[in-house]
Amino acid sequence: DTAVSQTPKYLVTQMGNDKSIKCEQNLGHDTMYWYKQDSKKFLKIMFSYNNKELIINETVPNRFSPKSPDKAHLNLHINSLELGDSAVYFCASSPTLGSGYGYTFGSGTRLTVV
Amino acid sequence: AQSVTQLDSHVSVSEGTPVLLRCNYSSSYSPSLFWYVQHPNKGLQLLLKYTSAATLVKGINGFEAEFKKSETSFHLTKPSAHMSDAAEYFCVVSDLRGGGADGLTFGKGTHLIIQP
Repeated sequence: DTAVSQTPKYLVTQMGNDKSIKCEQNLGHDTMYWYKQDSKKFLKIMFSYNNKELIINETVPNRFSPKSPDKAHLNLHINSLELGDSAVYFCASSPTLGSGYGYTFGSGTRLTVV
Repeated sequence: AQSVTQLDSHVSVSEGTPVLLRCNYSSSYSPSLFWYVQHPNKGLQLLLKYTSAATLVKGINGFEAEFKKSETSFHLTKPSAHMSDAAEYFCVVSDLRGGGADGLTFGKGTHLIIQP
């Protein structure tokens, strides 16, 4: 079984559309995250959820909204997609909100906005 | 605040020769440090982690890293490179402040090229 799974793996869409990326973890972890990897491979945290509560909300556009129906799921919804949103989005989870614990990453969703 | 600097954006070595990927960190608190590897079009895989135990950390695939507080460094090494090591490597820091609310801070990555 995949520990952290994301769907879809690839997503191609037109500007202005609304899309969602789903993430599920079966590790029993309390905290989940979304990271964005840009075209230069730089990774930056976007959001984290701990026990269904938003812990971090980095300075990302409010077109991006994380939604967590339960602690095993953290979906990312994006409104009014723009060309600059093209990137690889990684979901991750960790046992608790705290350093020293290894994170488990999903395999990524490559979003291309045309 | 925490930050990571990977000193080389690209490193090229011949197969069978040693690998050195350099990383310096900055953290206001006791950091946890990680190295992750990303193969082309793949996700992120944890190579090794330092969490204030032994300063020399051994990871998977023959990699190891040494935490040097006086130099604020956490360089990644491997005695003998293999073609399958060609990938992007990320040095990552997470400090222990307040539960690590900042998540992980990634370096910009080092692209490792293995010459046959």
